[in-house]
Amino acid sequence: GAGVSQTPSNKVTEKGKYVELRCDPISGHTALYWYRQSLGQGPEFLIYFQGTGAADDSGLPNDRFFAVRPEGSVSTLKIQRTERGDSAVYLCASSLMGGAGGEQYFGPGTRLTVT
Amino acid sequence: AQKITQTQPGMFVQEKEAVTLDCTYDTSDQSYGLFWYKQPSSGEMIFLIYQGSYDEQNATEGRYSLNFQKARKSANLVISASQLGDSAMYFCAMRTSGSARQLTFGSGTQLTVLP
Repeated sequence: GAGVSQTPSNKVTEKGKYVELRCDPISGHTALYWYRQSLGQGPEFLIYFQGTGAADDSGLPNDRFFAVRPEGSVSTLKIQRTERGDSAVYLCASSLMGGAGGEQYFGPGTRLTVT
Repeated sequence: AQKITQTQPGMFVQEKEAVTLDCTYDTSDQSYGLFWYKQPSSGEMIFLIYQGSYDEQNATEGRYSLNFQKARKSANLVISASQLGDSAMYFCAMRTSGSARQLTFGSGTQLTVLP
């Protein structure tokens, strides 16, 4: 079956611009996560959705970052006034609800470069 | 707070040999899950294996096994009969009952399988 998809795969933008990154989770997965992975590091948690609501947004670095999931499926991560430090790979993951061991399935990521 | 430590930035192994990738964790929670993910150069995170804190037996999945030593807070990944396709970055991750299902990742180990 289809896995998690993310678009675009690469995004180059100028400092100060606004960007949107899209995630399409595995069908039927109610939980959706965004992570950010800087070069040479492990992924760092940004935000978690259960259904349409953000259950935990404690990982968002500042108020320039925002994410939505209006219909409980596709999610969009929005970054305003981008800075060079926002350059990273943004990973999306989804999982079924329930069970402590529910593994998260990751998409291929969007590589964001802010020039 | 939860923390994952991977002390081996890089490892080499001869094809067909076994290799152990180290992972130690720190948490005050009694209920938690430990995960290993593989990240090839293509960037996608691939789930390999899961161990629950209350599981009495070490998890195994094909050539992957998890050497879980709860008292030492270690969860090492053992790959048997290494293949060239195993060359990738490997991440250890943890999820605790106190967190909203987000994963906390280590910094990863780059494994290179030599022919």
